[in-house]
Amino acid sequence: AQRVTQPEKLLSVFKGAPVELKCNYSYSGSPELFWYVQYSRQRLQLLLRHISRESIKGFTADLNKGETSFHLKKPFAQEEDSAMYYCALSPTGVGNMLTFGGGTRLMVKP
Amino acid sequence: NAGVTQTPKFQVLKTGQSMTLQCAQDMNHNSMYWYRQDPGMGLRLIYYSASEGTTDKGEVPNGYNVSRLNKREFSLRLESAAPSQTSVYFCASYLSGGTYEQYFGPGTRLTVT
Repeated sequence: AQRVTQPEKLLSVFKGAPVELKCNYSYSGSPELFWYVQYSRQRLQLLLRHISRESIKGFTADLNKGETSFHLKKPFAQEEDSAMYYCALSPTGVGNMLTFGGGTRLMVKP
Repeated sequence: NAGVTQTPKFQVLKTGQSMTLQCAQDMNHNSMYWYRQDPGMGLRLIYYSASEGTTDKGEVPNGYNVSRLNKREFSLRLESAAPSQTSVYFCASYLSGGTYEQYFGPGTRLTVT
């Protein structure tokens, strides 16, 4: 069975500082990895997925199969980045079945 | 286009009471899901429906039942609520061959006393 671990429940940084939200996974096959975000009083929504290799709102994430990690990074945090972030794994590769991590709350202080 | 809607938004139940959480989507998605969100545990899948007429258990199905009424609607029933079912419940939908994204509803906050 697959597992997703986000070791930090809370990450607090100052505006303009770099941000790295950690995500580690365990799965024997080749999964697809996703980052979902929930801003205050908004719905959970997809931020980015590994296969697309996009940068969304300045965030990027690289899949490291050797370390089984999919950390989310942004070089300069903004106050509007404050939200709950969830890493998720799809064993089917297409996102229809997801296993979520426990989530990390990011607080960006002015 | 409302996306995924859930009713009610809030509910307080006494132990042993029953209730049904409603979910509907207007995006013509084939798959629908029910998750529960608990602090520190992320979202855990309760039940899902890959297509109209089918339902399957997820990670934490005990104490719940579901009905895929039609392609649009997927309801979650608690037959005899327990305090351990206090949680925020999210419904989601997904389109096969689409954008790989699950679309979530706004959530239902349930408290069982």
